Amino acid sequence: DGGITQSPKYLFRKEGQNVTLSCEQNLNHDAMYWYRQDPGQGLRLIYYSQIVNDFQKGDIAEGYSVSREKKESFPLTVTSAQKNPTAFYLCASTPRFNLGYGYTFGSGTRLTVV
Amino acid sequence: SQQGEEDPQALSIQEGENATMNCSYKTSINNLQWYRQNSGRGLVHLILIRSNEREKHSGRLRVTLDTSKKSSSLLITASRAADTASYFCATDPDAGGTSYGKLTFGQGTILTVHP
Repeated sequence: DGGITQSPKYLFRKEGQNVTLSCEQNLNHDAMYWYRQDPGQGLRLIYYSQIVNDFQKGDIAEGYSVSREKKESFPLTVTSAQKNPTAFYLCASTPRFNLGYGYTFGSGTRLTVV
Repeated sequence: SQQGEEDPQALSIQEGENATMNCSYKTSINNLQWYRQNSGRGLVHLILIRSNEREKHSGRLRVTLDTSKKSSSLLITASRAADTASYFCATDPDAGGTSYGKLTFGQGTILTVHP
């Protein structure tokens, strides 16, 4: 079955540590997105990529970095510069960014700072 | 920035009743989408309505869009306990007649359906 796989499901980060969240899709989608969700809140866009080897900052990109070396993969690194990283992180994809399709979401990674 | 604002923030109903959730937004859009999120899970796409459409149906779901009022509503008919979830509206802003696929999500409505 096609879909988006996020790993790990739970991640614990120590202060000052960088961590990388994995997002892989086998849907042959061009566009991929990372969102952050805080308790009781909506989703806020961190980064997005409309094509391989290209990505753009979203509304809250500070303290995060991404890469898009392969169509299937869009990993998110939470750096030590992100002061409040505890949140639920969701990866999504859509076939083409400019044709108004709905998103397919992964099941999320819950990141906690310890 | 939060484009969509859902109302109410929480809704509690009995099984068999209808549930109506509303969404307001601020800027012109290409389309508006509704998603469901079960606790601790990813979002599931329910329905998409384009800016030139006024109403759309999918099973027990009915979505309306009023672009003059910049608002949308999601109606779930004959609710079931399994419909218990958070529901989000998301807008795809109109960037000069094109879409960049950057959805902006509201804060959601928590729906509880009691058996």
